[in-house]
Order: sequence, then structure tokens, then C-alpha cells
Amino acid sequence: QVQLQESGPGLVKSSGTVSLTCAVSGGSISTRNWWSWVRQPPGKGLEWIGEIYHGGSTNYNPSLKSRVTISVDKSKNQFSLNLRSVTAADTAVYYCARGDDSRQIGGAAFDIWGQGALVTVSS
Amino acid sequence: SFQLTQPPSLSVSPGQTANITCSGDKLGNKYTAWYQQKSGQPPVLVIYLDAKRPSGIPERFSGSNSGNTATLTISGTQAMDEADYYCETWDSITVVFGGGTKLTVL
Repeated sequence: QVQLQESGPGLVKSSGTVSLTCAVSGGSISTRNWWSWVRQPPGKGLEWIGEIYHGGSTNYNPSLKSRVTISVDKSKNQFSLNLRSVTAADTAVYYCARGDDSRQIGGAAFDIWGQGALVTVSS
Repeated sequence: SFQLTQPPSLSVSPGQTANITCSGDKLGNKYTAWYQQKSGQPPVLVIYLDAKRPSGIPERFSGSNSGNTATLTISGTQAMDEADYYCETWDSITVVFGGGTKLTVL
């Protein structure tokens, strides 16, 4: 049973960088799945940030692309998020999630989610 | 950029059918997924590839997608189904979520 667990600082200063890691347990990150970051500001909806494949290929939300880097560490079976130049608007619960096999035929569903990590941006 | 539109809220009585819609340009040409999110918890996938149910999801959850609208149907709605529901699709190289629908069962 694959499980995901986010970790990282819960408080980041404005203009700083949100750095989070998602540890994958119960299975390998080197599968046919894509691995994503999704965030949710308090009381608001879900926003996809971007994704990575174990080979290193990435796709990003165009609205965040200039500030985001997602990387993978296969030796540690984990992937990471860096979001730079943050403001209060970046305060959110950040989830990591696994894209399911339906990507092979054009689908895109997230079948496994981490519990989420609240990141607060302070001034 | 591609957008998905959901009604902000929907109320149903226990035992009734809830139809939650998700609209987008030619959405029927794309695959849609649906998530249930209860307060303080991560989302849970309830429908993928328009109409497939993951293991463990009750049969009362079903989905359809045609034209410009995808629909999540909950038959015989129960109090435990009260939650926020999000639709989601893949457009080019990006994932798009709908704004979410708060389902109230009363």
C-alpha cells in the first residue's frame, strides 16, 4: 500500500521559498506514475502546482511556472517542491499526490494523496 | 486557459439523488475525475475516466461526461456524503480543477 507523507517548514517569511518533500513509502517512485503537488488555500479550492516523472520530466501550472521547481530523488524515494518569492497568497495546505495509470490513455486522476502540510507565509 | 465551472453549493434530502455538474469547453472530449473532500481531510478519488469507480467507493457514486458537461451522480444520498466535491481534468500538459461544490444533506 503506497503512502505519501509531506514534510517541511510550516512557516515561511514573505519573499522566501516554500520547500517541501514528499516521501513515498510502500512502493517505488520509479513506476509509470506521475507525482504531483496540489495546494489548497484556507477555505478555498484545489490548485494543481505541477508534476514530475521519475525520469525527471516535469509539467507546471502556467500561473506558477516562473516560481516553481519540482525535483525527484530516486535514491531516497521522494520528490520535492520549491516555490520561490512567496507572498501571503501562497499560504495553503500543500498536498503531494500520485497520478494514476489512466495517464497512459489521456486521463489524469490522483489516486493517492498525502495528509497535507500547512504552510503559512508571514510578513 | 481551460476552466471548469461547478455550482458553489447543492442541497439534497437524505435518500434523494444529487447531481453535481462540471462545465468546460468540449469537456466531453476529455476524461474527468471527481474527488470528495471532507473537512480537514485530503481529497478522495471517487470517479476517474468519467465513470469508473475506484475500489472501495460505494456503487451509489456514478459519473458521466458528454458535450460540455460532466456529472457526478450520488444515488440515495446519505448524511456521510456531505462534503466538498471537485471535478478535474487534464488539458494539454496541465491539470485543471473545478472550483468545488459544497454538498449539504439535510
